[in-house]
Amino acid sequence: GAGVSQSPRYKVTKRGQDVALRCDPISGHVSLYWYRQALGQGPEFLTYFNYEAQQDKSGLPNDRFSAERPEGSISTLTIQRTEQRDSAMYRCASSWPGEGADTEAFFGQGTRLTVV
Amino acid sequence: KQEVTQIPAALSVPEGENLVLNCSFTDSAIYNLQWFRQDPGKGLTSLLLIQSSQREQTSGRLNASLDKSSGRSTLYIAASQPGDSATYLCAVKGSSASKIIFGSGTRLSIRP
Repeated sequence: GAGVSQSPRYKVTKRGQDVALRCDPISGHVSLYWYRQALGQGPEFLTYFNYEAQQDKSGLPNDRFSAERPEGSISTLTIQRTEQRDSAMYRCASSWPGEGADTEAFFGQGTRLTVV
Repeated sequence: KQEVTQIPAALSVPEGENLVLNCSFTDSAIYNLQWFRQDPGKGLTSLLLIQSSQREQTSGRLNASLDKSSGRSTLYIAASQPGDSATYLCAVKGSSASKIIFGSGTRLSIRP
């Protein structure tokens, strides 16, 4: 596609429910990143994939958070048993990890998650 | 552990002024550094990418510099306009296969 696409744009869920957030990266981009952003703060790293391999998940807050990218393209971030503190903007980015300008990371519009 | 700091957190200047936004990082072994712009309630827009082997990049009225040895980057905005008002974020990538770490941003306001 033309850009990074995230869905849904907005998600309201009840505490204790599971949610799945989807990221469709730019076609051909190998690297995919997930971030969480609180109001007034910079994006906080969650996890990172190269192709289908999860290279780094050190930013996932706890074991209720997981991510996958089974075919090296679309990725899903899943939050189980949601809590109010999980409410935030979740952002996805993709890049091509080659040399030069292609290493630029591009972000989607984000998913605003509200846990009530 | 890489940490990225942006100072000041907020800046307000009159239209037409040239200004500099600062970014510092603790680990000088970076792969690249990227400046982003974020408008309220919107996504992140990439402005400039500087590879570790480069000293600066320019795009229109924007110029970003990189001094790896001192762990610093600056974003220079010439002849500022009210439309430049936004939050500017600095982000560093440690290697070709690593995460990107962001600063907290500088919230810029340009007064007409």
